[in-house]
This record gives sequence, structure tokens and C-alpha cells, in this order.
Amino acid sequence: DAMVIQNPRYQVTQFGKPVTLSCSQTLNHNVMYWYQQKSSQAPKLLFHYYDKDFNNEADTPDNFQSRRPNTSFCFLDIRSPGLGDAAMYLCATSRDGFGSTEAFFGQGTRLTVV
Amino acid sequence: GDSVTQMEGPVTLSEEAFLTINCTYTATGYPSLFWYVQYPGEGLQLLLKATKADDKGSNKGFEATYRKETTSFHLEKGSVQVSDSAVYFCALSDHDSNYQLIWGAGTKLIIKP
Repeated sequence: DAMVIQNPRYQVTQFGKPVTLSCSQTLNHNVMYWYQQKSSQAPKLLFHYYDKDFNNEADTPDNFQSRRPNTSFCFLDIRSPGLGDAAMYLCATSRDGFGSTEAFFGQGTRLTVV
Repeated sequence: GDSVTQMEGPVTLSEEAFLTINCTYTATGYPSLFWYVQYPGEGLQLLLKATKADDKGSNKGFEATYRKETTSFHLEKGSVQVSDSAVYFCALSDHDSNYQLIWGAGTKLIIKP
């Protein structure tokens, strides 16, 4: 049974048109992460929530925002997608920080910008 | 700061060959070490992990031993299958990284029948 679910698997959006990607988890984990991954490169952490505390990476563009309305759900909002934002977006959860605890990843949402 | 270096790919092997993917790390503390696997079009899955020196992580026939003296965590498998074709990422996490994952660049593995 999937424990971290990302919807949709594939998303096509127009240049400059806001888009929202969603992630849900059934693990009741404290931490939820959003990563951007391009062309099988290493994932790049955009931000994460520890419970309700939001932590933004210093180099994450302002164009990317996130919301976590409750423990189970987390959203990635891209306010004005550019062609360079086309990528796989991965959601992950962990009980606490990664540390020695396992991180669980969703299957990802592949975003295409046209 | 912390960093992870993996051997460049792609690595191409025949089925039943022995696999080694090298991974070395730089960290000031005592990191936990991980191997993640990403099958085509999928998210990442934890393959194995080790949390202290001399620990051996193993899963699905893959093994890696945490070697503090050589700061290495090489991934090995005795006999690979076509279904092992994927991208493999080595990663670490420790206090200095605020327990965020520091990733290697990934190694693409191609297994030919």
C-alpha cells in the first residue's frame, strides 16, 4: 500500500500559469519534504515542514511556495512556472529528521511547462 | 561541509556480473549513510543504510559496509539482474547537515541480458 502519495503523476501547465502539486501520507510522520529533480540528477531540497514549522532552503526561488494544512497533506505551489521549472517533484516524509530514520518518497510528479 | 562522491555512470554490466558502485564521503561528525535506488519514472526508495562504523546494510542481495577509516560506503551485489537497472544514489545525514540528506550525483546502472 502506498504510504506517500503524490498527485498527479504527470502535470502539464502553461508558462506563467500557477500550478499546485499535492502530497499525502498515511504514516503520520512529523516531517514532509519537497524536492526538485532534473534528469536523474540528485534531488534538490526545496523546503520542508517539521510539523507546522516551515523551513525554506536559502536558494529556493520565491516562485515556489508550500502549504501544510494538516499532518497528512502538503502542497507545492509554483506561482509562475517557467520552462526551467520542468522537472520531477518528489515529496518525502520521515518520522523526525532524516538522521538514522528512513525517509519515504512518493512516486513523484513530473511537471511539463509548455 | 559534508559531501558525497559517487563513481560516474553509466555502469553497464551483463546479467549475473558482480557489481560495485563506489561511494566516499566527507563529514566532520559521524553520519548515517544510505543508498537509495530510483527505477525509471519512479520516486526514490531506500535500498539500505548503516548508522555507525563497521555496520553492514543489506537488502535484495545488495550490501554496503560503513568504513570510517576510508570514509567509504561502496555498494556491492554478487549477481545483478536486468531488473536492477536503475539510478543509485549514495547519501549521508548528520548533525552538521541538520539531518538533511546530502546526496551523491547518482550512478546509472544498465544491466544487459
